[in-house]
Amino acid sequence: DAKTTQPPSMDCAEGRAANLPCNHSTISGNEYVYWYRQIHSQGPQYIIHGLKNNETNEMASLIITEDRKSSTLILPHATLRDTAVYYCIVRGYGGATNKLIFGTGTLLAVQP
Amino acid sequence: KAGVTQTPRYLIKTRGQQVTLSCSPISGHRSVSWYQQTPGQGLQFLFEYFSETQRNKGNFPGRFSGRQFSNSRSEMNVSTLELGDSALYLCASSRLEGSSTEAFFGQGTRLTVV
Repeated sequence: DAKTTQPPSMDCAEGRAANLPCNHSTISGNEYVYWYRQIHSQGPQYIIHGLKNNETNEMASLIITEDRKSSTLILPHATLRDTAVYYCIVRGYGGATNKLIFGTGTLLAVQP
Repeated sequence: KAGVTQTPRYLIKTRGQQVTLSCSPISGHRSVSWYQQTPGQGLQFLFEYFSETQRNKGNFPGRFSGRQFSNSRSEMNVSTLELGDSALYLCASSRLEGSSTEAFFGQGTRLTVV
């Protein structure tokens, strides 16, 4: 079973920041938080991952709470092309496996 | 560099037949995983291969099998197809070395069983 809980859907106005929450209260010390997104009928796309520090890349920012029980993915200026299902995944680090357990994700609808 | 390539993109098969799907990972990636996506069950892990060895297997019947070749290309096979096997089959590759753990997905093979 997935170790994460996400809201089923969210709306965001184009040009505004999209903040997608994720709860992972049972995360263990050696597990990372990964975010992927899937645009309709395409393969999932890697966005970002982190352990306990906030992370930023060209696509998004990841804010992880100090207790690591929840996190927020931030798309700073959402566009219509960001409309997709966003998946938050908890997985171990260190190269042992590439197995990903997907939950139901959050459908982000960016409105014009 | 080229991404993960899955062939064919679309496939229609009849119940009882078998099917083989192919996945070519990104150059240098030795890990290949397979997933099934259906509207009812979402994205589900099928199996994972690393250096020609199956590392993990999901909760699927034995009709689903796979293999990986020495060049890291992978195939999955489904025998005795059922209507419920209609799905988008996705392949992901990863280096799984050092800090590189991100999985990169192909566009998938859409299988329809009639």
